[in-house]
Amino acid sequence: LAKTTQPISMDSYEGQEVNITCSHNNIATNDYITWYQQFPSQGPRFIIQGYKTKVTNEVASLFIPADRKSSTLSLPRVSLSDTAVYYCLVGDKDSGAGSYQLTFGKGTKLSVIP
Amino acid sequence: SQTIHQWPATLVQPVGSPLSLECTVEGTSNPNLYWYRQAAGRGLQLLFYSVGIGQISSEVPQNLSASRPQDRQFILSSKKLLLSDSGFYLCAWRLAGPYNEQFFGPGTRLTVL
Repeated sequence: LAKTTQPISMDSYEGQEVNITCSHNNIATNDYITWYQQFPSQGPRFIIQGYKTKVTNEVASLFIPADRKSSTLSLPRVSLSDTAVYYCLVGDKDSGAGSYQLTFGKGTKLSVIP
Repeated sequence: SQTIHQWPATLVQPVGSPLSLECTVEGTSNPNLYWYRQAAGRGLQLLFYSVGIGQISSEVPQNLSASRPQDRQFILSSKKLLLSDSGFYLCAWRLAGPYNEQFFGPGTRLTVL
């Protein structure tokens, strides 16, 4: 699996757009990029997934440049409730028999300030 | 719709006592099931996963064990808890295959004293 590097923490004011960039220089051809969000004392929740260019859903946008060596999660107009840890995951470990494993790093702790 | 349940929500246990955490999934069949642990201020560590009844794979050797007696039931156990077993335990499920969304339960906060 490709190693990912993302900032340990970020601060943002309410109403601003937040961009969290993840580096994955060794991404494989078949790897997708997935982002999860984790609130305190809760399990992670899927946010968005993409392979290349741009993906947008009701929660966020994911920008992936042509070389796919990085990706940027964009959260529009954040609110206090967006304070959470955001994980960038690349690839999906094949454990055999149809089982795949997500590999979580330490994530980026986003703190939204009033 | 699918739901995942974990209990208890919180647990305080003395060192050396046994442990049993239960996870059940509703609304899906033959899911892959996972147990994770998250120590305070740290990332998620995969402990066990299961692709079917009675099939358990361990990722990290430790004094914990897991069992899957039914298709949608996953149990995490220990015969004797250690202080280092304290943490936030999360159960998760997903359908077999790559890049399927993984759904996490509400978690159990375990404190070993």
